Amino acid sequence: DTEVTQTPKHLVMGMTNKKSLKCEQHMGHRAMYWYKQKAKKPPELMFVYSYEKLSINESVPSRFSPECPNSSLLNLHLHALQPEDSALYLCASSQDYIQGPTYSNQPQHFGDGTRLSIL
Amino acid sequence: QKEVEQNSGPLSVPEGAIASLNCTYSDRGSQSFFWYRQYSGKSPELIMFIYSNGDKEDGRFTAQLNKASQYVSLLIRDSQPSDSATYLCAVNRQSGGYNKLIFGAGTRLAVHP
Repeated sequence: DTEVTQTPKHLVMGMTNKKSLKCEQHMGHRAMYWYKQKAKKPPELMFVYSYEKLSINESVPSRFSPECPNSSLLNLHLHALQPEDSALYLCASSQDYIQGPTYSNQPQHFGDGTRLSIL
Repeated sequence: QKEVEQNSGPLSVPEGAIASLNCTYSDRGSQSFFWYRQYSGKSPELIMFIYSNGDKEDGRFTAQLNKASQYVSLLIRDSQPSDSATYLCAVNRQSGGYNKLIFGAGTRLAVHP
């Protein structure tokens, strides 16, 4: 069992549906991340939240809308997705996230992921 | 040239042997290096991280970093069938003033009894 919990584990939705993915961590981490992983490919960063503020949006389409209600929770709201959005969506957290050339990244810990299928 | 390169494998080793997984990266400014293990259909699991040149050991795992050669490796001693998985190398990169992790495509390790 991981210390980052994601729900649901599986989600099937139509292109007109609205759904949300949820992520929770109780490690006291102040940075949380959303990644997308297609089959046999590495994870790709989507969003970074640091101290509940959106720090990075990797030019993700607006049909994906992140939300960080508090330091332990991270949501990803989905609307009008396309079949090519079918993937494993991973949430991760780290102790903190510091921008700047002289700082090292803190290790990121991943949740079990939500496997999303768009019909 | 890919930012983080790994041999896709499969790397096949007998049980009890040492598995050596290699990774090269292109950004000389990278400061942080991570190894993740990913079983088929599961999420990545952090195995090791290393920030300084040299070796870092944790149980059966040793991470090795050579920043001059832009090379990081993972050694798995006494390999077990349960080590069979894809191993992802991840390296931080500075871009537009912020850090992000760049993952290699992964090396598939197969440990046979």
